[in-house]
Amino acid sequence: DAGVIQSPRHEVTEMGQEVTLRCKPISGHDYLFWYRQTMMRGLELLIYFNNNVPIDDSGMPEDRFSAKMPNASFSTLKIQPSEPRDSAVYFCASAPPAQGGNTGELFFGEGSRLTVL
Amino acid sequence: GEDVEQSLFLSVREGDSSVINCTYTDSSSTYLYWYKQEPGAGLQLLTYIFSNMDMKQDQRLTVLLNKKDKHLSLRIADTQTGDSAIYFCAEMEGGGNTGKLIFGQGTTLQVKP
Repeated sequence: DAGVIQSPRHEVTEMGQEVTLRCKPISGHDYLFWYRQTMMRGLELLIYFNNNVPIDDSGMPEDRFSAKMPNASFSTLKIQPSEPRDSAVYFCASAPPAQGGNTGELFFGEGSRLTVL
Repeated sequence: GEDVEQSLFLSVREGDSSVINCTYTDSSSTYLYWYKQEPGAGLQLLTYIFSNMDMKQDQRLTVLLNKKDKHLSLRIADTQTGDSAIYFCAEMEGGGNTGKLIFGQGTTLQVKP
């Protein structure tokens, strides 16, 4: 398996523009997580899905952020309109089903570095 | 809510041992984890420990768990320049296998030749 695939790897945009980040989880994994990493706040969980259903979106900063998972192999994180303070590295991670023997390991993508000017 | 805390920076000389410390708050955590992040990359699981253990050794890595004090440490023996990275401590929220990991701020390990 190729691992968790994220795109784009880098995005530079201007304030007010819409940004869409994409993620393909590892096949067979039924958990998908979106994290944001900044120097100031470290690694923050934004939202996570189980079987394509959002379970906890309490980390989503505000209504400008939205996430969808239309099927088991694809998820998007959208920011509209974007602001300079949204500049960060956004990570997607997936995990296999929670069952006996599963240690809860998350498998991370390489991240999407977003710069909002 | 749950919280995980780590020191932010550690500098050691090549060949020395490194010890990275972490404290956590959720006493129901079933597993506790150490992840490694190399520059420009995502996090990768380095090792984990089950909550009913107090020590786990894996080659150059030793994890110590003190459940009473909610303290976790990672010792890297014979530290190499390739070990330079950010190390994150994490716990599973709510115990069991909720799937939701809470990460510390990360400890940047600098290894000097």
